[in-house]
Amino acid sequence: NAGVTQTPKFQVLKTGQSMTLQCAQDMNHEYMSWYRQDPGMGLRLIHYSVGAGITDQGEVPNGYNVSRSTTEDFPLRLLSAAPSQTSVYFCASTPVPSYNEQFFGPGTRLTVL
Amino acid sequence: GENVEQHPSTLSVQEGDSAVIKCTYSDSASNYFPWYKQELGKRPQLIIDIRSNVGEKKDQRIAVTLNKTAKHFSLHITETQPEDSAVYFCAAASNTGNQFYFGTGTSLTVIP
Repeated sequence: NAGVTQTPKFQVLKTGQSMTLQCAQDMNHEYMSWYRQDPGMGLRLIHYSVGAGITDQGEVPNGYNVSRSTTEDFPLRLLSAAPSQTSVYFCASTPVPSYNEQFFGPGTRLTVL
Repeated sequence: GENVEQHPSTLSVQEGDSAVIKCTYSDSASNYFPWYKQELGKRPQLIIDIRSNVGEKKDQRIAVTLNKTAKHFSLHITETQPEDSAVYFCAAASNTGNQFYFGTGTSLTVIP
């Protein structure tokens, strides 16, 4: 099993550009989530999904969209990138119920100029 | 929502000494408390977790204690080694919600 995969590993955007961060898992986990990690602020939840077709907002959802058309994939879209979105983004998955070990992807380091 | 506070933010210990990291939480409904280790440039990985029906759990040199009344839980690492150097995150979650709440992390340095 590949576990949780993310692409790209690194990305540089200009302010106002849009892009999609990809996340996929092959463990048949129902629960998937996106976090951003900033220095001194830990991991903050952006959006999560408890199954295909179901998404919900986390702590810091503004400026991001998600969709969940399949169990395997959970892409994160930046609509109009801003410098404040410079961060490391982690995707994670876990079986339902969600209060279990979360398996993290390798992360995407995003810089917005 | 839940608020998880973690202390200290940085911790340096001599090799062989013990390290203790403490977290507090605010939501009495939280009943799952994992700890993650993140090495530089890597993804967070679970090292130990505890559920609210137990007060302590051990795994070799690592232990976690939970005090539900006081709403705090702690990570204990004994006989520290240089490879224990990393950032450690605590988290809280409940079976009535779908969100994990992470602490802000502790950067542990083990000095050889």
